[in-house]
Amino acid sequence: QKEVEQNSGPLSVPEGAIASLNCTYSDRGSQSFFWYRQYSGKSPELIMFIYSNGDKEDGRFTAQLNKASQYVSLLIRDSQPSDSATYLCAVMETSGSRLTFGEGTQLTVNP
Amino acid sequence: GAVVSQHPSWVICKSGTSVKIECRSLDFQATTMFWYRQFPKQSLMLMATSNEGSKATYEQGVEKDKFLINHASLTLSTLTVTSAHPEDSSFYICSARDGVSAVYGYTFGSGTRLTVV
Repeated sequence: QKEVEQNSGPLSVPEGAIASLNCTYSDRGSQSFFWYRQYSGKSPELIMFIYSNGDKEDGRFTAQLNKASQYVSLLIRDSQPSDSATYLCAVMETSGSRLTFGEGTQLTVNP
Repeated sequence: GAVVSQHPSWVICKSGTSVKIECRSLDFQATTMFWYRQFPKQSLMLMATSNEGSKATYEQGVEKDKFLINHASLTLSTLTVTSAHPEDSSFYICSARDGVSAVYGYTFGSGTRLTVV
């Protein structure tokens, strides 16, 4: 089993729709979770981080964490073509140092 | 916010030569730096973790004699790909961790695209 798994893509949504990206992790002791966006040919940029169970909202982005289910998600409301990118879920090791990344989900927002 | 400067952004080198990639934290002290490699259509794979003033810790399967990492100061880490071969062609990205606000700390450099011909 992979340590961090993301829903297989690619994911395509129309402009204005809600895009839902999902991630599960295997290390039950993990405490910190990150969502990165990576445009083609560029390095990842941090979108959201979440540590507590529940929802965390930042503009059009909402991260959701359920530690009991070992599940973290990212919702993008009012999706824009500029949101088209690969979204990487990352989980910090229990030791608190390294990040483990999922394979990424490629999102395309169609005008 | 925290900024990590990575150079060069791209490099083409001949097989058998060495290439050095620099990663600098511009406005914070990076106690820990991570070096990743990313092949096309794949996720980031951690190569090694370096802490200022000590030897780097390499991930399983990464040749430490081929990928030399130096973290001589709190603002600079370098990755040298020695005797590069075409299979080393990849996108190399550094990430620095701010020792003060570590919870936010994973800032990525802009990446270096290495092509070995």
